[in-house]
Amino acid sequence: EVQLVESGGGLVKPGGSLRLSCAASGFTFNEYAMLWVRQAPGKGLEWVASISHRSSYLYYGDSVKGRFTISRDNAKNSLFLQMDALRAEDTAVYYCTRVRRDGYISDYWGQGTLVTVSS
Amino acid sequence: DIQMTQSPSSLSASEGDTVTITCRASQDISNFLAWYQQKPGKVPHLLIFGASTLHSGVPPRFTGGGSGTDFTLTISGLQTEDVATYYCQKYDSAPYTFGPGTKLDI
Repeated sequence: EVQLVESGGGLVKPGGSLRLSCAASGFTFNEYAMLWVRQAPGKGLEWVASISHRSSYLYYGDSVKGRFTISRDNAKNSLFLQMDALRAEDTAVYYCTRVRRDGYISDYWGQGTLVTVSS
Repeated sequence: DIQMTQSPSSLSASEGDTVTITCRASQDISNFLAWYQQKPGKVPHLLIFGASTLHSGVPPRFTGGGSGTDFTLTISGLQTEDVATYYCQKYDSAPYTFGPGTKLDI
């Protein structure tokens, strides 16, 4: 059974940093690209960042480019999102998703971790 | 960047009805379009990819169509469990933009 478990969310002050983790199991992690998607309270889904299966291709949404860094450790079946220079508008539930092999389609989602940026 | 729009933003229907949600891309994305369902308080999950291919386990009352810039999600024989917000997403290339969502009430 595919499982994605996010951790690392919490309350942080504007300008601060946070590192999210996603522990993957139930599939061969190093064969799949991964995404982070976020959802602000009461709002829609926003694609944040993506990483190919060997970390060769990294892409970021404009709202986080230059502040967030996506990475992965295939030996540890883990995905990460380093978030720096956080802003109030980064407050959201952050979901880790697995991407299908035939396109950047999120076929499995974690339960999400809440990040709150507030002073 | 390609923008994604959806209409309507919300709709109300009755059990047994058939409803159609539209998604439009600002440029041609061929059939690189996915639909997701998010029930209230729950995690989103994949319904359709390739504009019209049902993800495993999705009931056949959900159908997707379209290509290029205009796409549809049709739900036939509405059931109360279909109450959710539906999102389209382009995946031809980054950014993998979502539409703003369509909230369906029954």
